[in-house]
Amino acid sequence: GAGVSQSPSNKVTEKGKDVELRCDPISGHTALYWYRQSLGQGLEFLIYFQGNSAPDKSGLPSDRFSAERTGGSVSTLTIQRTQQEDSAVYLCASSPDRGSSLHFGNGTRLTVT
Amino acid sequence: RKEVEQDPGPFNVPEGATVAFNCTYSNSASQSFFWYRQDCRKEPKLLMSVYSSGNEDGRFTAQLNRASQYISLLIRDSKLSDSATYLCVVARGGGSYIPTFGRGTSLIVHP
Repeated sequence: GAGVSQSPSNKVTEKGKDVELRCDPISGHTALYWYRQSLGQGLEFLIYFQGNSAPDKSGLPSDRFSAERTGGSVSTLTIQRTQQEDSAVYLCASSPDRGSSLHFGNGTRLTVT
Repeated sequence: RKEVEQDPGPFNVPEGATVAFNCTYSNSASQSFFWYRQDCRKEPKLLMSVYSSGNEDGRFTAQLNRASQYISLLIRDSKLSDSATYLCVVARGGGSYIPTFGRGTSLIVHP
């Protein structure tokens, strides 16, 4: 079956521009996560959606970052006024339910010039 | 202290060797434990869950020591294809279920 799909796979943007990253989770998965991974670093949690509950935004590094999940499926991560330190691979993962392992997409490699 | 800590390595071993990685976690309320594998420039993939009684999957054995708050991964008869970064993952119960990833341990298996 189809896995987690992320788009675009690569994004180069100028400092100060806004970007939108998209994630299509596995159908039927109720949990959706966004992480980011900088070069040589571990995965940093950003935001978590579980069913119809309010998202856990505790990992968002600043108010320039926001995310939404429409209809319990597709999610969009938006970064406003991008900075060079936002350059990283942004990984989306979904899970069938609370407590299960995560299935990751291929990620979006964001480069801010 | 970081929530999940791993020795970054790299561990450089010959084919056929046995290698073990440890991971420590700081939150005693942690309830779920996993090992993921990440190949260079790829997404992490689940290697195995870690159960309280310990569990084995082929050449891979995972163990959990709740008293000392550490998890281990043992790889027997290493293959060239085992070369990757191994990520320790811990998740707390209650409230939001958010898996926390260690920075990973790099393994290089050479001929």
